[in-house]
Amino acid sequence: DAGVIQSPRHEVTEMGQEVTLRCKPISGHNSLFWYRQTMMRGLELLIYFNNNVPIDDSGMPEDRFSAKMPNASFSTLKIQPSEPRDSAVYFCASRSGTGATEAFFGQGTRLTVV
Amino acid sequence: QKEVEQDPGPLSVPEGAIVSLNCTYSNSAFQYFMWYRQYSRKGPELLMYTYSSGNKEDGRFTAQVDKSSKYISLFIRDSQPSDSATYLCAMTFNAGNNRKLIWGLGTSLAVNP
Repeated sequence: DAGVIQSPRHEVTEMGQEVTLRCKPISGHNSLFWYRQTMMRGLELLIYFNNNVPIDDSGMPEDRFSAKMPNASFSTLKIQPSEPRDSAVYFCASRSGTGATEAFFGQGTRLTVV
Repeated sequence: QKEVEQDPGPLSVPEGAIVSLNCTYSNSAFQYFMWYRQYSRKGPELLMYTYSSGNKEDGRFTAQVDKSSKYISLFIRDSQPSDSATYLCAMTFNAGNNRKLIWGLGTSLAVNP
């Protein structure tokens, strides 16, 4: 298995533009997580899905952020409109069923909003 | 006060040294404790996982949990340059599917040859 695949690896965009980050979880995993990592705040959980259903989106900072998981093999995180303070590394992670311990992370998308 | 506190370092040690990395936490309900390793420009990967109190050893790595002090440690023996990375602690209340990990900020470690 290729692991969790995220795209793009790097994104530079202008303030106000829409940004879409993509994630393909490991096949067979039924939990998916979106995290944001910054030096100041560390890893922050934005949202997580279980069986494609959003379970907890309390970490989504504002209405500008939205996430979808239309099927078990694909998820998107969208920021519209983007702001410079959204600059961070965004990670997607997936985990297999009930009681599983390890979440497997993708390589991350480094987002810079100028 | 953050739920999980971790000194960001950086920590710099010579090759072969014993490294001690630590986290403190405030919520006594945490039961599951993890250490993740993150290489530069990569995602975190699980290194050690411990339930409740006690020690767990895996090769050169030992994870220790002291619930009475709300303190967890990761020890690295005979440290190698390949151990240079950021180490993040994480913890949670239960093992169910809806659990949410609470993370430390991470400690940056450099092992010098």
